[in-house]
Amino acid sequence: GQQVMQIPQYQHVQEGEDFTTYCNSSTTLSNIQWYKQRPGGHPVFLIQLVKSGEVKKQKRLTFQFGEAKKNSSLHITATQTTDVGTYFCAGPGDMLFGNEKLTFGTGTRLTIIP
Amino acid sequence: NAGVTQTPKFRVLKTGQSMTLLCAQDMNHEYMYWYRQDPGMGLRLIHYSVGEGTTAKGEVPDGYNVSRLKKQNFLLGLESAAPSQTSVYFCASSFRTGTNTGELFFGEGSRLTVL
Repeated sequence: GQQVMQIPQYQHVQEGEDFTTYCNSSTTLSNIQWYKQRPGGHPVFLIQLVKSGEVKKQKRLTFQFGEAKKNSSLHITATQTTDVGTYFCAGPGDMLFGNEKLTFGTGTRLTIIP
Repeated sequence: NAGVTQTPKFRVLKTGQSMTLLCAQDMNHEYMYWYRQDPGMGLRLIHYSVGEGTTAKGEVPDGYNVSRLKKQNFLLGLESAAPSQTSVYFCASSFRTGTNTGELFFGEGSRLTVL
């Protein structure tokens, strides 16, 4: 079945440093979504990317979808303590039988050193 | 507007007991999902539903059953709880957007401990 891997699993950065997490799928994706989960909270949707090579920005966050639509990245510029949490990517589970299922990556836990 | 509501939020069971987790959404979403989250394992899909009266298996369906008798509700049942089912369970719902799933709206989670 489809696998979605994320690296790194953990990242500790000084406040103000940049942060990047990478997402790789074993299959081509029709789209990819990103979520953030604060400690003790539930996942919250950040963005959806659909087009090959697409780049979207949300303030200090930059999301990219690879040209082959098998990988994606999230880059945070000048991290702040509010960025603490686990970031997940998620892709459709089955291209043949519909895209209803979302398979989540293993997540990258970001901690900020003040 | 409540969004996605899960009950109960916490539960402790003994091995072999049964229970049902209830998920209710008030956004008229077609799709509903049950995920479990374990440390270092991310979110794993248990079962999902694309509409009232329909359900399908996800990645880890064994030991669980689901029902979606009404569009707004999605129930997750454990017939005979096992310690391996100790986890945090998240319900989510979404619209269908074209041929893709739209953003998922998650409930606050239900923490289940099986002794």
